[in-house]
Amino acid sequence: KAGVTQTPRYLIKTRGQQVTLSCSPISGHRSVSWYQQTPGQGLQFLFEYFSETQRNKGNFPGRFSGRQFSNSRSEMNVSTLELGDSALYLCASSRYTGTEYTGELFFGEGSRLTVL
Amino acid sequence: SQKIEQNSEALNIQEGKTATLTCNYTNYSPAYLQWYRQDPGRGPVFLLLIRENEKEKRKERLKVTFDTTLKQSLFHITASQPADSATYLCALPFSGGYNKLIFGAGTRLAVHP
Repeated sequence: KAGVTQTPRYLIKTRGQQVTLSCSPISGHRSVSWYQQTPGQGLQFLFEYFSETQRNKGNFPGRFSGRQFSNSRSEMNVSTLELGDSALYLCASSRYTGTEYTGELFFGEGSRLTVL
Repeated sequence: SQKIEQNSEALNIQEGKTATLTCNYTNYSPAYLQWYRQDPGRGPVFLLLIRENEKEKRKERLKVTFDTTLKQSLFHITASQPADSATYLCALPFSGGYNKLIFGAGTRLAVHP
């Protein structure tokens, strides 16, 4: 079974630009979460989607947005990039069915964003 | 607000010894706690989940304990090997749960031959 796939793996942008990151969850997983990881702040929750609906959102500015498609694939977008947005962006999927919470998150390898 | 603390200092141990990592949390009574392993430049990998009504859980050379009175979890790796060298993250669900996890900063473990 293929794992969580994130693209692109690495990208470099300049301040003010925008970026879109993509995540394909494990087949059959309908819940997708996004996390930002930096050396100073560690892993921080961005948002979670289930069945195309955003169910939870972390404390990030409105420049960070996301969406989920009917096939459970997800994208996140960061507009007006700032230097501080440089980070590893991780996507995770889970077997959450909408009624039973199983807990375990399956992470992708991440998208390493560098903002210059 | 919810807080998780893991020893930010790296833990250096000799091969074959038992590594013990600590996770403390405050202002919270989680229904469960999870441990993940992360290698440099890779995504975290789930290791174990322990529920509030479980005192201890084992998986091969791994053992996790959960003391809801002390608000602490201990993660043990017995007969440690250099391949166990990684950062280990403790995670708890936000109150309100679902898949919104709060992660500790992680403890870096280095196992020396």
